[in-house]
Amino acid sequence: QVQLQESGPGLVNPSETLSLTCTVSGGSISGYYWSWVRQPPGKGLEWIAWIHDSGRTKYNPSLNGRVTILLDTSKNQFSLKLSSVTAADTAVYYCARHFSGGTYPLDSWGQGTLVSVSS
Amino acid sequence: EIVMTQSPLSLPVTPGEPASISCRSSQSLQSSNGNNYLDWYLQKPGQSPQLLIYLGSTRASGVPDRFSGSGSGTDFTLKISRVEAEDVGLYYCMQAVQEPRTFGQGTRVEIK
Repeated sequence: QVQLQESGPGLVNPSETLSLTCTVSGGSISGYYWSWVRQPPGKGLEWIAWIHDSGRTKYNPSLNGRVTILLDTSKNQFSLKLSSVTAADTAVYYCARHFSGGTYPLDSWGQGTLVSVSS
Repeated sequence: EIVMTQSPLSLPVTPGEPASISCRSSQSLQSSNGNNYLDWYLQKPGQSPQLLIYLGSTRASGVPDRFSGSGSGTDFTLKISRVEAEDVGLYYCMQAVQEPRTFGQGTRVEIK
């Protein structure tokens, strides 16, 4: 049973860069697509980006080019960087794995980590 | 981007009774291969979302058969044949036919 765990600062200053890491255990990071999804307090889900170990990436245009997603197969981790953050980026950030089939749905999720943007 | 619209946004249910949630998309979610690229997720209180249904009607591993998905094109439905207390939470549909993937607003299911 694969498990995902997000880690990173819980508080980020406005205009700075939010950095999170997702550590994958119980399975290999290779051969799968991996995503970041966020949920502002009391609101719905927003897909941010995905990455495949082939190096392919896809980003949500709504984030205006502020996002970078990276994968480190040697550490079985992938990461998220979101630059020039504002209060609107305050959210619970989830990392998730795409099931290899059909719609490639998100079949395994981390517990989520709350990141607040405030000075 | 594809806009997903769920209804109702709040659904009070009686245990043992059926429940139904609608999800509509601004563009067809049917691919050229005939598959419908629509997933359903449940976020129980205080938990991460969990996958219920993918390809519009395929139950994910371990999902009870009281959950079923149907629909095609732009109109989809999630049905719970007999609601149990553990089914409370927020239900989201998500389209997977086109990037960026987009979610519905969520439907809150609660026990009456």
